Amino acid sequence: GAGVSQTPSNKVTEKGKYVELRCDPISGHTALYWYRQSLGQGPEFLIYFQGTGAADDSGLPNDRFFAVRPEGSVSTLKIQRTERGDSAVYLCASSSGTSGRGEQFFGPGTRLTVL
Amino acid sequence: KQEVTQIPAALSVPEGENLVLNCSFTDSAIYNLQWFRQDPGKGLTSLLLIQSSQREQTSGRLNASLDKSSGRSTLYIAASQPGDSATYLCAVVGSNYKLTFGKGTLLTVNP
Repeated sequence: GAGVSQTPSNKVTEKGKYVELRCDPISGHTALYWYRQSLGQGPEFLIYFQGTGAADDSGLPNDRFFAVRPEGSVSTLKIQRTERGDSAVYLCASSSGTSGRGEQFFGPGTRLTVL
Repeated sequence: KQEVTQIPAALSVPEGENLVLNCSFTDSAIYNLQWFRQDPGKGLTSLLLIQSSQREQTSGRLNASLDKSSGRSTLYIAASQPGDSATYLCAVVGSNYKLTFGKGTLLTVNP
């Protein structure tokens, strides 16, 4: 595709529920990143994939958060037992090359609201 | 731990004015620095990428400079327009792979 796409654009869920957020990177980009942005803050790193493997998941806040990228393209961020504090905009980015330090291109984000 | 600070937090200028946004970072061991634009409720649009070996990059009315040794970058916007109104974010990539962001500068250009 022309750019990074994310679905859904908005997700409202109840505390304790499970959610999945999807990211489609730019075609051919091997690196994929997830970030989380709270109101009034800059995005914060969650996880970085190079191909199918998670090269760095040090930003995941706890074990309720998990992400996969089984075929090296689409990625899904999964959140179990959601809490109100998980409410934020979840951003996905992709870049070309294998260094992990290329220019990152962002999707429009998924706004998650946990009631 | 890398920390990125952006000053000012908010800026309001009349249309046509030239302006400078500032970004500073605590660890000078960076690989590159990116400036982004974010419109309300939207994702991030990459404006300029400066590699650590570069001093500046230009795109249209935008010019970004980098002084790696002092941990500073500036984004210069010439002849500002109301359509430039947005939040501008600075981010750096260090020895790890992740972008570390500042909190952004909210720019309002008044007609």
